[in-house]
Amino acid sequence: GDSVTQMEGPVTLSEEAFLTINCTYTATGYPSLFWYVQYPGEGLQLLLKATKADDKGSNKGFEATYRKETTSFHLEKGSVQVSDSAVYFCALTPDSSASKIIFGSGTRLSIRP
Amino acid sequence: NAGVTQTPKFRVLKTGQSMTLLCAQDMNHEYMYWYRQDPGMGLRLIHYSVGEGTTAKGEVPDGYNVSRLKKQNFLLGLESAAPSQTSVYFCASSYTLGGGSYNEQFFGPGTRLTVL
Repeated sequence: GDSVTQMEGPVTLSEEAFLTINCTYTATGYPSLFWYVQYPGEGLQLLLKATKADDKGSNKGFEATYRKETTSFHLEKGSVQVSDSAVYFCALTPDSSASKIIFGSGTRLSIRP
Repeated sequence: NAGVTQTPKFRVLKTGQSMTLLCAQDMNHEYMYWYRQDPGMGLRLIHYSVGEGTTAKGEVPDGYNVSRLKKQNFLLGLESAAPSQTSVYFCASSYTLGGGSYNEQFFGPGTRLTVL
């Protein structure tokens, strides 16, 4: 079945470091791909999305490119801030069943000042 | 515009007790969802609704019931709580379901439930 696998955390970086959080997926057809972020004590918020191959989603300095050939959607940011500390979830909507989103297990990111 | 709200924020139950979690959205969304979040497991879909008066089972529906009597509200019920239902519960809503297109969901702040 459809699934999302993302790197396990926690990930701890110093402020201004480069960030990569890996995400790969298994799905038939052409799913839509997402990154959601969960700040402490809050619900999930959509961070960025991509709906077709080679699309690049971007928001708040974060980017991810939909790579169909490697079934990946890695999240990157060039210079992280303390305020980026959160849990990040990679997710997909299968194109055969858009009534649900399949989430990865989440990656906790902590940024040191 | 409050978005998606959930009540209560915290609750402690004893095994066998019942309770109802309330989700409300003011965005006129057709679709609503209930998830549970457990450590290391991401979010798992419990039940969802594609419109007023309709509900459907998700990935982990056992032990839960839902109702969507009004478009803006989606209730999650536990008839006889068990320790395995200790979790954080999130409600979400979305505007479109549309096949082949993205489906952004808007989440509430969560309800932390402990069953002793």
